[in-house]
Amino acid sequence: DAGITQSPRHKVTETGTPVTLRCHQTENHRYMYWYRQDPGHGLRLIHYSYGVKDTDKGEVSDGYSVSRSKTEDFLLTLESATSSQTSVYFCAIRTSGGAYNEQFFGPGTRLTVL
Amino acid sequence: KNEVEQSPQNLTAQEGEFITINCSYSVGISALHWLQQHPGGGIVSLFMLSSGKKKHGRLIATINIQEKHSSLHITASHPRDSAVYICAVDNTDKLIFGTGTRLQVFP
Repeated sequence: DAGITQSPRHKVTETGTPVTLRCHQTENHRYMYWYRQDPGHGLRLIHYSYGVKDTDKGEVSDGYSVSRSKTEDFLLTLESATSSQTSVYFCAIRTSGGAYNEQFFGPGTRLTVL
Repeated sequence: KNEVEQSPQNLTAQEGEFITINCSYSVGISALHWLQQHPGGGIVSLFMLSSGKKKHGRLIATINIQEKHSSLHITASHPRDSAVYICAVDNTDKLIFGTGTRLQVFP
């Protein structure tokens, strides 16, 4: 699992409240990713980071922001949660260097916005 | 049209059958990944391919770069193989995912 943890693992919140999801890794990988997984859509990239304070948008970034102040932590924030953001969120890291650049995924966070 | 297409979307098999799941893509890639996700579970990497063929136990993955196509085969399928299998292509430091193939293997 490349030492990836996500917190919380489950969260129920109300529309309009802010929510922050945390991804933590123990192996100092440079690249980290946030995805959401929805039925019929598969995994879609929200934001990713290629280093401390270096982030970029993915295909479904509207309504989300991220921060990475330390190599090991990548935070995903929903400033004002909406019901359309009910989903399962996965964090991932990417190994780099050499011929093999695999992605390893965290266990996921199930978020329900009522 | 999606950049990564998988077929079939759903697949049902009897234990012991040979399974094939297909993946086609339309973008340039540096590698292709096959992932497995059990119901309610996390996502596990099965293979990463840039050419040819790889085998791990009863699972075999092949890729044809010229045709932009990959296949995942499961020999002697077992109920514990029941899962969603996801194809993803590596495109400029990001993965682009197919929507997955849901496989159910019955005893």
